[in-house]
Formats: sequence, structure tokens, C-alpha cells
Amino acid sequence: GNSVTQMEGPVTLSEEAFLTINCTYTATGYPSLFWYVQYPGEGLQLLLKATKADDKGSNKGFEATYRKETTSFHLEKGSVQVSDSAVYFCALSLNTNAGKSTFGDGTTLTVKP
Amino acid sequence: DAGVTQSPTHLIKTRGQQVTLRCSPKSGHDTVSWYQQALGQGPQFIFQYYEEEERQRGNFPDRFSGHQFPNYSSELNVNALLLGDSALYLCASSSQPTGVETQYFGPGTRLLVL
Repeated sequence: GNSVTQMEGPVTLSEEAFLTINCTYTATGYPSLFWYVQYPGEGLQLLLKATKADDKGSNKGFEATYRKETTSFHLEKGSVQVSDSAVYFCALSLNTNAGKSTFGDGTTLTVKP
Repeated sequence: DAGVTQSPTHLIKTRGQQVTLRCSPKSGHDTVSWYQQALGQGPQFIFQYYEEEERQRGNFPDRFSGHQFPNYSSELNVNALLLGDSALYLCASSSQPTGVETQYFGPGTRLLVL
């Protein structure tokens, strides 16, 4: 079956620090990969995505590269802000069913001023 | 352009009761998926509706059922509620059930079963 493994949290950083959240996956087909962000009391917002190997997704200073050889999709940001504090979810979906996503358990990020 | 909307926002029920949650997809979307997110965990896929039929189902018992209407809106029904059904229920919509289309999530309905 399909699965997503994220680095365990919580992660606490100082403002302007470098962020990496690790994500690895297993999939039976050719997945698209996603990072979602969830702010307290809210639903999920798509942060970025990549649909094939070596694609780089980017948004709001966040980046992640689809690495098929290591089955990874690590999230990075060069300089975090207090407003980036949230829960981050890595997810995959197969192109045969875009609406059926498999999620990791989430990583809580807290950024302190 | 309205995004995905869900109602109600919060709900409290007791064990054994039944509940109905509602979802309106983003304009232009015809596919609706439902997810259950327990506290501290990632969302788990319940099922997906397209063309008013259940197309895919996750590992959830038959107590969980759904419906899609001609206007693409959807309902999630849960019968014989258990304490373990307490969770945030998320609805997501997309413009087709296959391919690489992105799905958009609603704010969720938080269900508490006492």
C-alpha cells in the first residue's frame, strides 16, 4: 500500500532560522507529492506540489524537490517567520485517483521571535 | 469565487446517535472526498464521490455512508456513533477524480461524541 513518513515533531526554531522537515514515501504507482499547512482551528491549505520526479515545488519561500531515487520530498525554507508556525503535512496521491490522498502524521512547527 | 464550504462547524453528539455533515465543493469542481482527522494525526481517507456515486472507499466501516447531489454537494452520514468517531471531518473537492488535479479542502466540521 501507500504510506508517508514525516520526521517527528515538534520542531521549534528561532525567527530567520533554516527549516527542513523530512518526508519519505512508499507508493505502488507513480504519485504526485504535496505539502499542506494547517493553522490552528483551520482546514488544510495546499502549500506546494510536484507531479513527477525531479520537479521542484515552491511557494511563499518554501521548496521541496521530488526525489524518486530516495523516495523523498523534504520541505525547506531558508528563513522562517513567526507566521510560519503551523502543522505541516506531507501527502501523496496516485494519478489514477487524485482525490484519494495518503497523509503523514504532520509536523508541528513553532517559530519564536 | 467561493471555496469549499462545510456545515456545521462544530457538533456535539452522544454515543449511538446519528450525524449528517454537509459539504459544498469549490465552484467548477465535481468530485468530493471526505477525510477523518483525529487529534494529532493526519487525515484518513473515508470515501470519494463522483457523478453521484461512491468511487473509492478507505478502511472505514459501513456506519460511514455518503451521498452526492446533482449540484455536486455532498453529505457524510455516520450511524451508531462511537467515542472514537470524535474528530475533525474534512471535505475536499477537485475537478476530476483522476489525473494530477489539486484538491481543495474545506475548514472542516469538528465532531465531539460524548
